[in-house]
Amino acid sequence: EVQLVQSGAEVKKPGESLKISCKGSGYSFTSYWIAWVRQMPGKGLEWMGIIYPGDSDTRYSPSFQGQVTFSADKSIDTAYLQWSSLKASDTAMYYCARVVVPDVTRDYFDHWGQGTLVTVSS
Amino acid sequence: QSVLTQPPSVSAAPGQKVTISCSGSSSNIGNIYVSWYQQFSGTVPKLLIYENNKRPSGIPDRFSGSKSGTSATLGITGLQTGDEADYYCGIWDSSLNAYVFGTGTKVTVL
Repeated sequence: EVQLVQSGAEVKKPGESLKISCKGSGYSFTSYWIAWVRQMPGKGLEWMGIIYPGDSDTRYSPSFQGQVTFSADKSIDTAYLQWSSLKASDTAMYYCARVVVPDVTRDYFDHWGQGTLVTVSS
Repeated sequence: QSVLTQPPSVSAAPGQKVTISCSGSSSNIGNIYVSWYQQFSGTVPKLLIYENNKRPSGIPDRFSGSKSGTSATLGITGLQTGDEADYYCGIWDSSLNAYVFGTGTKVTVL
């Protein structure tokens, strides 16, 4: 069974750093892209970007480029999303999702992590 | 602001049919396959439709997808109270070099 298990909820202060994780199991973790998706309170889904754990190739949404960093440790089948200096506006639920890419015109997200709630407040 | 526009809400009585539109442009929906996601309040999004009209295992055939030109449509027949959720379309936009989700549609069963 394919599973993506994310790290637990976090409460941080503005300016602090944070790294959340997404651990895959039940499939070849290095053979699929992992996407990160933000959902701010009461809002829709926003694609932040993707990482390929096999070689750590990353693609960032222009909206998130420079604001966050993706990484992966293929030895433990885990992808990470990190911030160096959090802002109150980073308060949101963050999901990781496995990306199926039959070809560049067909990609979709077939399995999702349970989400990590990040709250940034002074 | 998403480049994919959906109606904010649709509603119908139990047993009826609803359709949700996802309107894009020739640079995105026009030549790309669309997927649809269902999200119940406070829960994880779930893949509902991929490659315009394919259903993952376990998704009932009450849910259907189609695409024509620069618009895609999700249909739900035999509406049930358990279908009350938010629904999002999504595509890879080659002009933005980014995946884009639609604005989302809330389905209400009257």
